[in-house]
Amino acid sequence: QKEVEQDPGPLSVPEGAIVSLNCTYSNSAFQYFMWYRQYSRKGPELLMYTYSSGNKEDGRFTAQVDKSSKYISLFIRDSQPSDSATYLCAMSGAAGNKLTFGGGTRVLVKP
Amino acid sequence: EPEVTQTPSHQVTQMGQEVILRCVPISNHLYFYWYRQILGQKVEFLVSFYNNEISEKSEIFDDQFSVERPDGSNFTLKIRSTKLEDSAMYFCASSLRLTGNTDTQYFGPGTRLTVL
Repeated sequence: QKEVEQDPGPLSVPEGAIVSLNCTYSNSAFQYFMWYRQYSRKGPELLMYTYSSGNKEDGRFTAQVDKSSKYISLFIRDSQPSDSATYLCAMSGAAGNKLTFGGGTRVLVKP
Repeated sequence: EPEVTQTPSHQVTQMGQEVILRCVPISNHLYFYWYRQILGQKVEFLVSFYNNEISEKSEIFDDQFSVERPDGSNFTLKIRSTKLEDSAMYFCASSLRLTGNTDTQYFGPGTRLTVL
């Protein structure tokens, strides 16, 4: 079983729709959970950061962590064509430790 | 807004040659990392560096790889004898690692390494 699994997509939605992304993981030691956005051939850009279980909201983005199910989600409200990118989940077991990434989900928001 | 910078953006080299990839982390950050992403694959951890020494490394980071912080601002990754399979995007990242439960790694734009 892979440590972090993420559906590769592509996920195609109309402009204004809610984008729903998720990752599952197997390592119960993970405590820090991140979502990054990556445009083609660019570096990952940090979107959301969550410690342990719970929800976090920042503008149009909401991140959820359910440690009991080993499942994390990212929701993007009022999606825009500029949100078209690959979204990577990443996690670590302790502050400062290496990040373990999912394979990324490609999202296409159509005008 | 402070950002991680990397040079060069693209490096082409012949198999067996040495390459040095350079990074300037965010100025007040204390932890530095190298990751790589082979085309179409996951971002993979290579090495982390703190207080002038390696704190963790992956099985990818073998004797062909080394890291250095030669001065107060640069952080470098050296590959001594490049192989075809080293072709990838190499990302530098840095973090402040505050005490408590906060830590975020900020990534640079990457260096695309092509080994011929």
